[in-house]
Amino acid sequence: QVQLVQSGAEVKKPGASVKLSCKASGYTFTNFGIHWVRQAPGQRLEWMGWINTGSGNTGSSQNFQGRVTIVRDTSASTVHMELSSLTSEDTAVYYCARDRGFRAYDLWGQGTMVIISP
Amino acid sequence: DTVLTQTPLSLSVTPGQPASISCKSSQSLPQSDGKTYLHWYLQKPGQSPQLLIYEVSSRFFGVPDRFSASGSGTDFTLKISRVEAEDVGVYYCMQATHVPHTFGGGTKVDIK
Repeated sequence: QVQLVQSGAEVKKPGASVKLSCKASGYTFTNFGIHWVRQAPGQRLEWMGWINTGSGNTGSSQNFQGRVTIVRDTSASTVHMELSSLTSEDTAVYYCARDRGFRAYDLWGQGTMVIISP
Repeated sequence: DTVLTQTPLSLSVTPGQPASISCKSSQSLPQSDGKTYLHWYLQKPGQSPQLLIYEVSSRFFGVPDRFSASGSGTDFTLKISRVEAEDVGVYYCMQATHVPHTFGGGTKVDIK
């Protein structure tokens, strides 16, 4: 079954980091890039960055001021996204999504809730 | 960043009636490769977003033909010819021409 399965919910304190995972199955992992998108309460969807799962090259939004790190583990068909220096504004549902090849996301994970609380 | 402005914010539609959503971009979206990376997604209640339309007007696999989309430059439109109960949710336009990719604020569609 073609799917992306994300890791479970996280509760973190301000200033900490969180590392989320996204495991792909049912297709050739290195053929499609993976993007990370988040949805904070009451806010629009926000693109965070992406990884070319074949080369490992990454790109991220400057709106996160270098706090986003995305890596892939090809042996496990998994992408990890780490967000550092967390604040309450990082409370959101985080999604990974597959890039179909025309920069459209055709397959999404189920989402991971991250709550930042003192 | 490229700002996408969607209107209306919400729509309440009688089943079988049409619906239309506008998405206006603060920057022109055609890229030098000739493609326009403007896509539409539907997020049904409690679910992750799903791709409906890619590159302005191409329906993704399995998307019913009652969904159509058009546009160019900075103005884009999604149309549903006959709304059905399963079409409820929030519709988002998204541009991937410019980095960062950005999304519209969403249009919530429900059934009267």
